[in-house]
Amino acid sequence: GAVVSQHPSWVICKSGTSVKIECRSLDFQATTMFWYRQFPKQSLMLMATSNEGSKATYEQGVEKDKFLINHASLTLSTLTVTSAHPEDSSFYICSAFKGGSSTDTQYFGPGTRLTVL
Amino acid sequence: KQEVTQIPAALSVPEGENLVLNCSFTDSAIYNLQWFRQDPGKGLTSLLLIQSSQREQTSGRLNASLDKSSGRSTLYIAASQPGDSATYLCATSPGVSWGKLQFGAGTQVVVTP
Repeated sequence: GAVVSQHPSWVICKSGTSVKIECRSLDFQATTMFWYRQFPKQSLMLMATSNEGSKATYEQGVEKDKFLINHASLTLSTLTVTSAHPEDSSFYICSAFKGGSSTDTQYFGPGTRLTVL
Repeated sequence: KQEVTQIPAALSVPEGENLVLNCSFTDSAIYNLQWFRQDPGKGLTSLLLIQSSQREQTSGRLNASLDKSSGRSTLYIAASQPGDSATYLCATSPGVSWGKLQFGAGTQVVVTP
């Protein structure tokens, strides 16, 4: 199957610090990965599209300087939350496309719970 | 802008009953629609993907229908089991950027033994 991992699974940090979250496709190459954010009892909201070797594309309202995305290889994308604040506390989920076909599905990571104190 | 709505927000049924979960969307120009399952504090598992040209998809006890013209999809789970307890999300993929999923808020399902 297609497995996507995230690290760490949960993190607690102090306000003002930066946190890096990794998303890895373990058994396939992913030219495109997506980052989502989910607040309690709410839907997943797409934050940005990460393409290997190029700059990420951010959704409207998402601060690109605050949420730094790097897609360094075909199996790794990282999301760095810079100068985190309590309102950034959320569940961050990444997904990766196994192929590139519109008939393919996204494979989701298990998510990272971020708590900013 | 696509809006995806799921009703009800929560549902509790006794084991053995059939489940009916509803999903509606405002923009019928979708590429496909997917149903996902999310367990508490976990990521998503894809259950069924329906292409815009299809009317339904089936996998085991799960059956999902799609009516693009009315902007509706329904997920049926037959003979529910306690292990079916989870949050079920539907998501549409827009025609132009088919990778960008628009999610509903989900239906939280509890199946009691």
